[in-house]
Amino acid sequence: EDQVTQSPEALRLQEGESSSLNCSYTVSGLRGLFWYRQDPGKGPEFLFTLYSAGEEKEKERLKATLTKKESFLHITAPKPEDSATYLCAVYPGSARQLTFGSGTQLTVLP
Amino acid sequence: KAGVTQTPRYLIKTRGQQVTLSCSPISGHRSVSWYQQTPGQGLQFLFEYFSETQRNKGNFPGRFSGRQFSNSRSEMNVSTLELGDSALYLCASSLGGGSGNTIYFGEGSWLTVV
Repeated sequence: EDQVTQSPEALRLQEGESSSLNCSYTVSGLRGLFWYRQDPGKGPEFLFTLYSAGEEKEKERLKATLTKKESFLHITAPKPEDSATYLCAVYPGSARQLTFGSGTQLTVLP
Repeated sequence: KAGVTQTPRYLIKTRGQQVTLSCSPISGHRSVSWYQQTPGQGLQFLFEYFSETQRNKGNFPGRFSGRQFSNSRSEMNVSTLELGDSALYLCASSLGGGSGNTIYFGEGSWLTVV
């Protein structure tokens, strides 16, 4: 059974304080690992897709990396507007669906 | 380029009623999938359609159904509503031709069952 575990569940940072979010996964035949950002009351906003171990992608203050067992979302010098829930999901080859983790709720204090 | 559009955004229904939610995918996207999001269970997969055919279905009772039209637009229906069906229902679309295509979500339909 495909499983995704995100940690920590919640993270509070001061503005400018860099940190990382973790996404551990077990999946049969990974075809893609997705990161989304979700603001309260809104749908998930696509951030990155990673396809193979060693791959890295960056967007503004965010950088996502992938190994064979986990992915990290690094946030460099975060700002209050980065506050949101960050969701990780895997797309296995065997099923045409995303399996999501429970998310990390990030709060960045000014 | 317009994103995934879901209607209605908010609705309140009474137990026992049925509800139909609509989704218009991004232009050119042929795969549409539906997810239920609740505080307790997180995001859970309902079903996925590609070219009017359901290719995969999640572990939900038969009260949950869906369909896709020839223009890729999709609807999902929940019959005999229960209080536990209160949730954010999210539609997502992708090109769908192969694995790994970027999957984009709409803003969701908030369903409250009273």
